Amino acid sequence: EAGVTQFPSHSVIEKGQTVTLRCDPISGHDNLYWYRRVMGKEIKFLLHFVKESKQDESGMPNNRFLAERTGGTYSTLKVQPAELEDSGVYFCASRQIQGAEAFFGQGTRLTVV
Amino acid sequence: GESVGLHLPTLSVQEGDNSIINCAYSNSASDYFIWYKQESGKGPQFIIDIRSNMDKRQGQRVTVLLNKTVKHLSLQIAATQPGDSAVYFCAEEKNAGNMLTFGGGTRLMVKP
Repeated sequence: EAGVTQFPSHSVIEKGQTVTLRCDPISGHDNLYWYRRVMGKEIKFLLHFVKESKQDESGMPNNRFLAERTGGTYSTLKVQPAELEDSGVYFCASRQIQGAEAFFGQGTRLTVV
Repeated sequence: GESVGLHLPTLSVQEGDNSIINCAYSNSASDYFIWYKQESGKGPQFIIDIRSNMDKRQGQRVTVLLNKTVKHLSLQIAATQPGDSAVYFCAEEKNAGNMLTFGGGTRLMVKP
């Protein structure tokens, strides 16, 4: 069974540009989460989808970040326009039900220059 | 504010020795705790979890201890191997599984 996959693995963009990260959760997992780790700090929650609905987006830093999960399958996280402080590793995780084990993708390393 | 944190940023141990990684949490309402292992270039990998109605749980070579009195969580790795070298994160879960709150991470280095 395929795990959580994220694309791209690395992205280097200039300040002001747009980047879209993608996450394919494990098939059948209704719960999808986005996290990020910036500047060697702890991993921080961004938002949580249950199917196509946003359950909690309290961790989204500002309105330059837009997450979608149309159809309740894969999810995208768009940063527009990107700023230097957005650099970090963005992780996606999924799980079948809340309280069950969460499986993480390998992450997307975003570098804004 | 509420947080989950780690006491030591780096832990170096000899191969074959036991390792203990510690974590403190501040939210007494948390009822689920997880340890993750992250190797270079990979995402966090589940190691072991424990719920607040338990104080100890054992897996294969790993044991998690939970002390709710002092809000302390630890991960014990028996007979540490080079493959155990990684960054270890503790995490707590609240709000019935809405999200995980992670600590800052401890890097475990195993010396041959």
